[in-house]
Amino acid sequence: NAGVTQTPKFRILKIGQSMTLQCAQDMNHNYMYWYRQDPGMGLKLIYYSVGAGITDKGEVPNGYNVSRSTTEDFPLRLELAAPSQTSVYFCASSYLEQGQMAFFGQGTRLTVV
Amino acid sequence: DAKTTQPNSMESNEEEPVHLPCNHSTISGTDYIHWYRQLPSQGPEYVIHGLTSNVNNRMASLAIAEDRKSSTLILHRATLRDAAVYYCILRESSGDKLTFGTGTRLAVRP
Repeated sequence: NAGVTQTPKFRILKIGQSMTLQCAQDMNHNYMYWYRQDPGMGLKLIYYSVGAGITDKGEVPNGYNVSRSTTEDFPLRLELAAPSQTSVYFCASSYLEQGQMAFFGQGTRLTVV
Repeated sequence: DAKTTQPNSMESNEEEPVHLPCNHSTISGTDYIHWYRQLPSQGPEYVIHGLTSNVNNRMASLAIAEDRKSSTLILHRATLRDAAVYYCILRESSGDKLTFGTGTRLAVRP
């Protein structure tokens, strides 16, 4: 049981490039989330999904896209990377019920230059 | 979304108890109170959660006020490894979003 796995761990992008941050969970969780965390700040919700085929915007969705074709995977796409997207990205998953805990990945550190 | 308010930072001495407060005056009757912590350079990890009654687990205790407008995370004996940012979150009845505030940065002095 690996939990929540994020790849890559580190990446440097040039302005205007695109990339996909991968997130996979093996706990059969309904809910999955993407967050970004800027230095010294808290986590901001980018997008979330309540199940396969269903996604919704969080607090800071601009510049990102997501898809949820399977229960296990929730990739985050950056189409035109900008320096403002330099951040640490965390993926999380949980069961539906509000009394259930969320599990987080170890993060992807992205630098846009 | 229901909001929480926490002090920006707190300090504690090693092996002493720590009480981390959280105010959530707009909490609704069905919102769960969750606590997570984030160690340096790691993703957040679950600590504890509760609805109305006080809760204990191997990591901490959660004391919930009778009116549920505030709660306190209690670390019974702080260790250096407990130095982290602690987040108090309300998980709403819809359960969809999990929104973080700014948290409390706990420093533990040896």
